[in-house]
Amino acid sequence: DTAVSQTPKYLVTQMGNDKSIKCEQNLGHDTMYWYKQDSKKFLKIMFSYNNKELIINETVPNRFSPKSPDKAHLNLHINSLELGDSAVYFCASKAGQPGPAFFGQGTRLTVV
Amino acid sequence: QKEVEQDPGPLSVPEGAIVSLNCTYSNSAFQYFMWYRQYSRKGPELLMYTYSSGNKEDGRFTAQVDKSSKYISLFIRDSQPSDSATYLCAMFDTGFQKLVFGTGTRLLVSP
Repeated sequence: DTAVSQTPKYLVTQMGNDKSIKCEQNLGHDTMYWYKQDSKKFLKIMFSYNNKELIINETVPNRFSPKSPDKAHLNLHINSLELGDSAVYFCASKAGQPGPAFFGQGTRLTVV
Repeated sequence: QKEVEQDPGPLSVPEGAIVSLNCTYSNSAFQYFMWYRQYSRKGPELLMYTYSSGNKEDGRFTAQVDKSSKYISLFIRDSQPSDSATYLCAMFDTGFQKLVFGTGTRLLVSP
């Protein structure tokens, strides 16, 4: 059983397009995240949601809009894609208390 | 300056060696400490999670935390080629309620 699943796994698209990445977790966790991993493997938080409410927006451009229809899902929509958006995007979830997050397998986005 | 400092490596060791991976931090709000392993083209996988200063052991892995020095370590005993991966330290910022990661250390264990 996959705990945190993301779709698609790979996404290749042209500059200027709009795309979405979906994430679902079956762990019953309250908190979900989007992280961006650059080419040097650095993981940087983008957004955090707790029970469908936005908690953290880490100075991400407005072109990125997260949406949480329920606490098991957190989707990421990106408008007007740019070359610099190419990266691996990870969804993660965490139970309510401080502690570890559990990650999905990642979505490798390539903007050409 | 990044909140969490971690040597990117690569760190190359022969099979069977003891590996030491380290991170330093400066923010006292970091109270919970984790180590993740990430294989190429995969998501980070939780290895160890600890809160207190001291050692925590799980099989071949030992996590060590020294809060007074703001220094954490992961030791891998009897390293195997299958341990070759990037190891990421992570810390939970109790102030901003988020996980902050080090840059990761790439480990290569040769047979």
